[in-house]
Amino acid sequence: AQKVTQAQTEISVVEKEDVTLDCVYETRDTTYYLFWYKQPPSGELVFLIRRNSFDEQNEISGRYSWNFQKSTSSFNFTITASQVVDSAVYFCALSDYSGGGADGLTFGKGTHLIIQP
Amino acid sequence: DVKVTQSSRYLVKRTGEKVFLECVQDMDHENMFWYRQDPGLGLRLIYFSYDVKMKEKGDIPEGYSVSREKKERFSLILESASTNQTSMYLCASNSREGKSSYNEQFFGPGTRLTVL
Repeated sequence: AQKVTQAQTEISVVEKEDVTLDCVYETRDTTYYLFWYKQPPSGELVFLIRRNSFDEQNEISGRYSWNFQKSTSSFNFTITASQVVDSAVYFCALSDYSGGGADGLTFGKGTHLIIQP
Repeated sequence: DVKVTQSSRYLVKRTGEKVFLECVQDMDHENMFWYRQDPGLGLRLIYFSYDVKMKEKGDIPEGYSVSREKKERFSLILESASTNQTSMYLCASNSREGKSSYNEQFFGPGTRLTVL
């Protein structure tokens, strides 16, 4: 069975600090996909990144970066120089490969990030 | 711009009522999904569909059914609503394009259902 653990329920930092959101996953599959989604107060989930299990390169997109380590089954997300607009609930999610993406995602419970001005 | 729309943002129903939650996507996606989101539990998959008239149970299908008569529309049905089905319901879709990959899901704004 698949499982995603986001141990941090809530994180509060002051604006401009760096913050890392942890994600640890469990799966028996050798091919799988990992995702991060952002859910702002408006409620709609916004896709941030997808990573497949064969690509362990870290990725950077502006102030966002992701560190994927298969050896520790982790896919952590770092926001550099945080801003108030980054305040949201962030979800890490996992899916195995099913040829056509027709399986649902297994989500972690989410981390509520609060950026204080 | 990709769009997944849900028929209502807020809905209040009484115990025992039959409830329909509608979801429409305009991206010609093959796959559609229904999740519920509860505080402290994250999102959990109820049902999904990979084609018209096809459906598969997710992790928590009990008390729910679904219908997909057209490619763009996926309905979640609560046959007899109960108070423990009070929740936020999120619809999502993704494409089957590229058989060697899993494409990201696009989500609707959600329907907050209260069952009294």
